Amino acid sequence: EDKVVQSPLSLVVHEGDTVTLNCSYEVTNFRSLLWYKQEKKAPTFLFMLTSSGIEKKSGRLSSILDKKELSSILNITATQTGDSAIYLCAVERYTGTASKLTFGTGTRLQVTL
Amino acid sequence: DVKVTQSSRYLVKRTGEKVFLECVQDMDHENMFWYRQDPGLGLRLIYFSYDVKMKEKGDIPEGYSVSREKKERFSLILESASTNQTSMYLCASSLGDRDYEQYFGPGTRLTVT
Repeated sequence: EDKVVQSPLSLVVHEGDTVTLNCSYEVTNFRSLLWYKQEKKAPTFLFMLTSSGIEKKSGRLSSILDKKELSSILNITATQTGDSAIYLCAVERYTGTASKLTFGTGTRLQVTL
Repeated sequence: DVKVTQSSRYLVKRTGEKVFLECVQDMDHENMFWYRQDPGLGLRLIYFSYDVKMKEKGDIPEGYSVSREKKERFSLILESASTNQTSMYLCASSLGDRDYEQYFGPGTRLTVT
């Protein structure tokens, strides 16, 4: 059975702190790992990672995949209150007919002033 | 911009009722997905469709069925709603096999009493 585990479950930090969110997985026929940010409504896409060791970066957010360790981290530097959200990790595998995502339970990040 | 819309934001139904949740995407995407999201359990895939009239079970299909008669529309059907189907339901779509980014609708919060 496919499994995606995120840690920590929740986190409270002060504005300006740096945070690291973790995602580990056990999936057959791995294709990619994706990070999403979910505020009040639907998840929005952040990153997709397919190659081990290559960092993806977007502003203050960055992510890297370690295929050997079956894990990924999402870093947020100089956090702002607008970063408060649930961060979801999902792992994509191919079923033979289509790509399917398995999501972790998410990390709830709260950034306080 | 990709737009995924869902027919209702909030829905209250009685146990035993037949419930239809509709999802429409306007970007000619091949794949469409139905998830439910529950606290502590994250997003779980119910069903997905990779083409018109084609469907595949996700991780938790029991108690649900789906219909995809047109490419842009994907319906989730609860044949006989039960209280344990009270949840947030999210629809998503993606372009095709090599495009893993899923675009999510705003969600339907269903309460079954």
